[in-house]
Amino acid sequence: KAGVTQTPRYLIKTRGQQVTLSCSPISGHRSVSWYQQTPGQGLQFLFEYFSETQRNKGNFPGRFSGRQFSNSRSEMNVSTLELGDSALYLCASSRPANTEAFFGQGTRLTVV
Amino acid sequence: QQQVKQSPQSLIVQKGGISIINCAYENTAFDYFPWYQQFPGKGPALLIAIRPDVSEKKEGRFTISFNKSAKQFSLHIMDSQPGDSATYFCAASKVSGSRLTFGEGTQLTVNP
Repeated sequence: KAGVTQTPRYLIKTRGQQVTLSCSPISGHRSVSWYQQTPGQGLQFLFEYFSETQRNKGNFPGRFSGRQFSNSRSEMNVSTLELGDSALYLCASSRPANTEAFFGQGTRLTVV
Repeated sequence: QQQVKQSPQSLIVQKGGISIINCAYENTAFDYFPWYQQFPGKGPALLIAIRPDVSEKKEGRFTISFNKSAKQFSLHIMDSQPGDSATYFCAASKVSGSRLTFGEGTQLTVNP
């Protein structure tokens, strides 16, 4: 059974640009959550989607957005990139709520 | 607001020894407490999880001890092996898999 797939694995962007990251959940999983991991702030929750609807949102500025498609695949977008957005962005999927979350390998975003 | 505090930040154990990592939480609404293991360049992998209706859960060499009154839980790794060297994160959520709040992480090194 394939795990959570995140693409791309690595990205280098310039300040002010925007970026879109993709996440394909485990087959049958309908809930997708996004997390940001940095050395200073650790793992922080960004948002969660279930059945194409955002159910939860963390304390991040509006530059961070996401969406989920009918096949449960999810994308997150960061606009007007800042140097501080450099991080490992992790996607986790789970079956319809109330079950364990499984993480992908993440997308390493570097903003220069 | 840091709602899950984890200690120690780093831990060095000899092969065959017991590794103990502790976490404390503030939000009494949390009802799901997983532990994740993360190797460099990889996403966090679910190790073991517990709910507050039990005080201990064991899976192989990994045991979670849970103290609801003290709002604390810990991970014990018995017979620690060099392959266990990784970063360990405790987490908590109100609904399993949903909006995980992570501890700061513990970098475990098991010396041969």
